[in-house]
Amino acid sequence: DIQLTQSPSFLSASVGDRVTITCRASQGISTYLAWYQQKPGKAPQLLIYTASTLQNGVPSRFTGSGSGTEFTLTISGLQPEDFATYYCQHLTRYTTFGQGTKVEIK
Amino acid sequence: QLQLQESGPRLVKPSETLSLSCTVSGASINSSSYFWGWIRQPPGKGLEWIGSIYFTGITYHNPSLKSRVTMSLDSSKNQFSLKVTSVSAADTAVYYCARRTSLLLNWFDPWGQGILVTVSS
Repeated sequence: DIQLTQSPSFLSASVGDRVTITCRASQGISTYLAWYQQKPGKAPQLLIYTASTLQNGVPSRFTGSGSGTEFTLTISGLQPEDFATYYCQHLTRYTTFGQGTKVEIK
Repeated sequence: QLQLQESGPRLVKPSETLSLSCTVSGASINSSSYFWGWIRQPPGKGLEWIGSIYFTGITYHNPSLKSRVTMSLDSSKNQFSLKVTSVSAADTAVYYCARRTSLLLNWFDPWGQGILVTVSS
């Protein structure tokens, strides 16, 4: 099984900050990784797939990068609506998700 | 606009079978372009993929759930369904249905709003 480990698990930040979340895979997965945002009581929403492709309608302040075993999600200029939990997911057949990173207001 | 909506009993007794349906509007579940999937999230915890189904009826599911999972399609209702047998408290979760947009890779968009299913006597 491919395991995904996100860091940090919790992050406190202010509006306007640049935030980076890391997702590490237990084995190489090329660019087969997606990122989701989940707000309390809501379903996850797809932000990025294949490591760096921005889903339609997602603001350009969200960027994804990486390949192999290390990936990052960067939010450039954190907005009030970005405070949420973020999950990575590897895209191979028997998929799993990272444990999540909660971005809180400092 | 594609929308998905989960439905089914919100309370299931231990050892019984959990049954959920997902009604799709704005697209046909008979499309050869997509898979349809189920994901769950225990309260306060992370996401767990349950399984996915293709319009041909081909399914594959999370090995950790072993043989307890069954998925099916109902074209007449444009729905797909999930059954989980022999449930326990560990199956208490919000269950989401979603479309898998790529035939080759396993990302999901959009998702239904989710339904909380509690396993309790």
